Amino acid sequence: GAVVSQHPSWVICKSGTSVKIECRSLDFQATTMFWYRQFPKQSLMLMATSNEGSKATYEQGVEKDKFLINHASLTLSTLTVTSAHPEDSSFYICSAPGQVRGGYNEQFFGPGTRLTVL
Amino acid sequence: QKEVEQDPGPLSVPEGAIVSLNCTYSNSAFQYFMWYRQYSRKGPELLMYTYSSGNKEDGRFTAQVDKSSKYISLFIRDSQPSDSATYLCAMSVSGGYQKVTFGTGTKLQVIP
Repeated sequence: GAVVSQHPSWVICKSGTSVKIECRSLDFQATTMFWYRQFPKQSLMLMATSNEGSKATYEQGVEKDKFLINHASLTLSTLTVTSAHPEDSSFYICSAPGQVRGGYNEQFFGPGTRLTVL
Repeated sequence: QKEVEQDPGPLSVPEGAIVSLNCTYSNSAFQYFMWYRQYSRKGPELLMYTYSSGNKEDGRFTAQVDKSSKYISLFIRDSQPSDSATYLCAMSVSGGYQKVTFGTGTKLQVIP
């Protein structure tokens, strides 16, 4: 299957600082990528849809000024958590749709980034 | 009410047992039903997907969808310790570049 990478895999930062997370599709192009957040023992919650060359679409309740998304190329989307606070500590995962199989556009997930804000 | 409900477990079974994992949902517009497996601190990987109602089998795994009851299941036969992971059900309305709604995941442990 297609490969999606994320960097960094984990990051610890101080409260009030900004953190950038990269999501790359390694062997395919992705005009669309999805960013999810997963708190312990909870499901993946879609935060936003990242579109190459245009503005991201944010889910209800997600602050677009706090979670900045840039999809500058067909293989790279970045999520910047600005002025991070301890409540932003979570597991952030990106995904990208790959080839279509039987009508279903399979999403390939990155390995995730563990963010801890002190 | 959550769109997708899934018992978080944990579920502990002996090696070789048949495992049954289930989800219920409320959105009747869902047409694609997926099961993902997620190991600790890793991204989910797709196990199986089913379109609309019916059964689908892939090796030791069988997925069932009953749209009339808004209920989906994943069965694992002859479970192995390597099957120990969290299993997430997921659903979407369309099969394209779609928003996927996930369950909370059921943590499964297969004991040798």
